[in-house]
Amino acid sequence: DSGVTQTPKHLITATGQRVTLRCSPRSGDLSVYWYQQSLDQGLQFLIHYYNGEERAKGNILERFSAQQFPDLHSELNLSSLELGDSALYFCASSGRGASTDTQYFGPGTRLTVL
Amino acid sequence: AQKITQTQPGMFVQEKEAVTLDCTYDTSDQSYGLFWYKQPSSGEMIFLIYQGSYDEQNATEGRYSLNFQKARKSANLVISASQLGDSAMYFCAMARLGQFYFGTGTSLTVIP
Repeated sequence: DSGVTQTPKHLITATGQRVTLRCSPRSGDLSVYWYQQSLDQGLQFLIHYYNGEERAKGNILERFSAQQFPDLHSELNLSSLELGDSALYFCASSGRGASTDTQYFGPGTRLTVL
Repeated sequence: AQKITQTQPGMFVQEKEAVTLDCTYDTSDQSYGLFWYKQPSSGEMIFLIYQGSYDEQNATEGRYSLNFQKARKSANLVISASQLGDSAMYFCAMARLGQFYFGTGTSLTVIP
């Protein structure tokens, strides 16, 4: 158990819908990262938040957005969902937010778009 | 451009033997970090080992060691004394300038 929690574990929804994925980092960690893992794209870095502020963006679509709240939990919002958004979404956390920090991953949320 | 390359889609190893999983990376930066993660069939990503670009010694964590050859830009994972529970996908990753790149992974199967 990495100490990072993600809810829900599974999510099934329809095209065009909007969903919110939630992540709580390990106790004491200030950084949260979001990743998408799909069969065709592999593991893709989406976005990094540090202590409530966006730190870096990766391959995140404009339909996706994220935020980190004062209690340090983070939410990833996915809107206008398409079939291709079906994937495993991971959240990871680290202490300081430096690029070389070890990231500890949550169990993931499996999103299925029908 | 592919930043992390794992050329072995699948590997087999006999139980109790050692195995090397290959990883090469592409960056012109001086400061970066290299990681290996394990993903069992259950899906979670488990951190195994980390190597900083300025570290002169190869990283080791129990049965895992990282063979870091900076000039060749390679960061191979060596698993010694393989166990059945080592069967999983293994991902090499690089962190640089706030961006994070993962390879396509190597599927390792340990044969009893």
